[in-house]
Amino acid sequence: RKEVEQDPGPFNVPEGATVAFNCTYSNSASQSFFWYRQDCRKEPKLLMSVYSSGNEDGRFTAQLNRASQYISLLIRDSKLSDSATYLCVVTTGRRALTFGSGTRLQVQP
Amino acid sequence: GAVVSQHPSWVICKSGTSVKIECRSLDFQATTMFWYRQFPKQSLMLMATSNEGSKATYEQGVEKDKFLINHASLTLSTLTVTSAHPEDSSFYICSAEQGANYGYTFGSGTRLTVV
Repeated sequence: RKEVEQDPGPFNVPEGATVAFNCTYSNSASQSFFWYRQDCRKEPKLLMSVYSSGNEDGRFTAQLNRASQYISLLIRDSKLSDSATYLCVVTTGRRALTFGSGTRLQVQP
Repeated sequence: GAVVSQHPSWVICKSGTSVKIECRSLDFQATTMFWYRQFPKQSLMLMATSNEGSKATYEQGVEKDKFLINHASLTLSTLTVTSAHPEDSSFYICSAEQGANYGYTFGSGTRLTVV
């Protein structure tokens, strides 16, 4: 079983739509959780950290459910510029990051 | 914010040659850098953890004699792909942790194509 699992998509949504991505992780000792965004052939960029209390940054809302080992990302009012691959990332006590394979989002006009 | 400079951005080389990739932390000291590899449509996979002044720690299945890592200073880590083969063609990317509360910064990646 992969340490971090995501639906690869692609998710094709119209501009203005609300879209949600989910991610599950296998190691219950995982400590930190993030969503990264990766554009084609580019390095990943941190979108937001994820906390148990949930957190919001503009149109983006992230949630963590430790009991279910489940992380979510909600994007409201999708923009064309949101088209990218969204990576669910955890740390497991080691300092290196463990990446999910990513969920591809394509926002269409 | 923290910047990690990675060079080259892309390289095409012949089978059997060696390629060196550099990562520099420009405005902070990175005692630890991480090297990842990403094949098309796959996740970033950790190859090794590079520690300043000591030997790198390699992940299972990564050949330390093929992927030479040197972290001689607090701002520079290098990855050398020795005797490259077409199956080594991939996107190589480094990352540094600025500090416990500052997150991770990635280099811009190196796309290696071995022909």
